Amino acid sequence: AQKITQTQPGMFVQEKEAVTLDCTYDTSDPSYGLFWYKQPSSGEMIFLIYQGSYDQQNATEGRYSLNFQKARKSANLVISASQLGDSAMYFCAMREGEGTSYGKLTFGQGTILTVHP
Amino acid sequence: DAGITQSPRHKVTETGTPVTLRCHQTENHRYMYWYRQDPGHGLRLIHYSYGVKDTDKGEVSDGYSVSRSKTEDFLLTLESATSSQTSVYFCAIRKFQGVEGYTFGSGTRLTVV
Repeated sequence: AQKITQTQPGMFVQEKEAVTLDCTYDTSDPSYGLFWYKQPSSGEMIFLIYQGSYDQQNATEGRYSLNFQKARKSANLVISASQLGDSAMYFCAMREGEGTSYGKLTFGQGTILTVHP
Repeated sequence: DAGITQSPRHKVTETGTPVTLRCHQTENHRYMYWYRQDPGHGLRLIHYSYGVKDTDKGEVSDGYSVSRSKTEDFLLTLESATSSQTSVYFCAIRKFQGVEGYTFGSGTRLTVV
């Protein structure tokens, strides 16, 4: 079974609008971390935001926020006021508990976001 | 830059030849990882290391080996390259600096012809 699922292969948004990129995860471990990365066309992986499973509040980093719904096992990324430079591939990833995971990250398939002027 | 470099950045090699990719860090982090990125699959873990000489297999380890003889270097070797190993390879380090995080190298684009 997929541990991380991103169901939107591609998304389009108008500049200055908000957009939500979906991510659902599957784990039985009570301790885990969820990450979002941005990969522009240049190829580098850029860290955006992190949410720990025990964090009570949704994480925010500037225009990025993570809509964490633990019971539904979803960790959607919300980008407010989209900019042309937000056009990129976005990956959701999960790190499961420390026990034997050694911090390994499992990634979703990615969502390509295109921002239109 | 966050103290992690990959080399080479690009490589074209022939089927059946051995290839070694290098990941070098300057910050003394314990955990290092090799991933490959292919369309439709996101990034998949090949091998990882949790210390000098401590390595283990990831999800897609067949055809790959790794070595970590020094904290700063994590080498990925394709013993006998095949066309299915044409991919973009990323190295990553795990950091604990206030907030947990991972930093990725710039990637190596490998083409096996």
